[in-house]
Formats: sequence, C-alpha cells, structure tokens
Amino acid sequence: DVKVTQSSRYLVKRTGEKVFLECVQDMDHENMFWYRQDPGLGLRLIYFSYDVKMKEKGDIPEGYSVSREKKERFSLILESASTNQTSMYLCASSPQWDTEAFFGQGTRLTVV
Amino acid sequence: RKEVEQDPGPFNVPEGATVAFNCTYSNSASQSFFWYRQDCRKEPKLLMSVYSSGNEDGRFTAQLNRASQYISLLIRDSKLSDSATYLCVVSMNTGFQKLVFGTGTRLLVSP
Repeated sequence: DVKVTQSSRYLVKRTGEKVFLECVQDMDHENMFWYRQDPGLGLRLIYFSYDVKMKEKGDIPEGYSVSREKKERFSLILESASTNQTSMYLCASSPQWDTEAFFGQGTRLTVV
Repeated sequence: RKEVEQDPGPFNVPEGATVAFNCTYSNSASQSFFWYRQDCRKEPKLLMSVYSSGNEDGRFTAQLNRASQYISLLIRDSKLSDSATYLCVVSMNTGFQKLVFGTGTRLLVSP
C-alpha cells in the first residue's frame, strides 16, 4: 500500500513562529502536493512539486514556502505563522499529475 | 463561477435507499474525473475514477456528461458505512496542471 506520512496530527503554534510541516511518501512518486482544507472552501492547492528541487505555486501560495531536497520528502514552511493559517493541511503524492492522489492523514494546525 | 461545484448537502437517506450526487465543472478541456470519499476527520481517498462511457463498481455508478460538463455518482442500496463526504475531483490546466477538488457533498445514511 502507498503510504504518505505527515509528521504531526495536531500542532499549536504562536503567531509569528516559523512552522515546518513534513511529509514523506514511500512509493517513489514524482509528484507531491500540499493542500489546505477549510469548511466551505474545500481543498485548495498551496504548492506542488514534480521533481526533486522543483516547486510550483498553487492557488494560494502566499505566506508559505516549500522544500523538496529528496524525492520522498516534501516540506511546507510557514515563514511567520498567522491566525488565518489555522487549518487542516493535507499532503498528497501521485505518480502522474492527473492520476489518483494519495493523501497523508492531515495536520490540524492551530495558530494562536 | 467555481471551477468545480457540488451541492454541500447533507443528503439524509435511510438504509437501502438509492442516492445520486451531481457535480459540475467549468473547464471544458478537463480530461480526468474522479470521486473521492472523505470520512470525518480523515484524509480523502479515491472512490472511483470516472470514464467517458460510465463505470460501475459494485453499488456505485459514476457517469460523465461532457456536453453538459457534469459528473454524477449513484449509490444503490445505501449502507450506514456509506455516510461520508463525497468529493468531486476534476483535472484542469489553468496555467499549470492540477486536480481541482469540489467542496464535497455530505451523505448521512440512517437506520
């Protein structure tokens, strides 16, 4: 089975902190994605990566950056956390961009 | 107009009922279509892909209507375990290629 693992299920951070969300996949997938999910807004794409050291902005990249130094790992960074970044963050990977995406269990981040 | 639109529900149905969800999409060039299922406080998981000719997987049937730009999901003989949120997903190229997720339709199956 494909496994996508996110480092934390729940996180509470203070406004202004730098926050790292880690994601690891074990299926050698080329593509990795970070989404956030909010009630009434669904899943929105923050950043994605098609290859190591490659990154592309999604629909809502402001306030976020990413890092992909190894194929299996894709990190989301909140440079200076703000309360409007309180959300559920979901990492996903897929072999092709338009095929099944496999999701991690999600990280519920609360910024206070 | 949203890129992918779904009725949020909830759809409340008794066990054994047949229920159908529709989803409309805005980009006529979209090529790939999916239904995902998301249980409460869990991650989305692929339920089924949707093919042009329509496809069936047990009690679930998915159909695509390209002319009207909508996809549908039919669930027959609903089970309590079908209670979940069903996400419509469409591939699009809007400057970059991506999967666009609808906000989901919530289904509640009661005894």
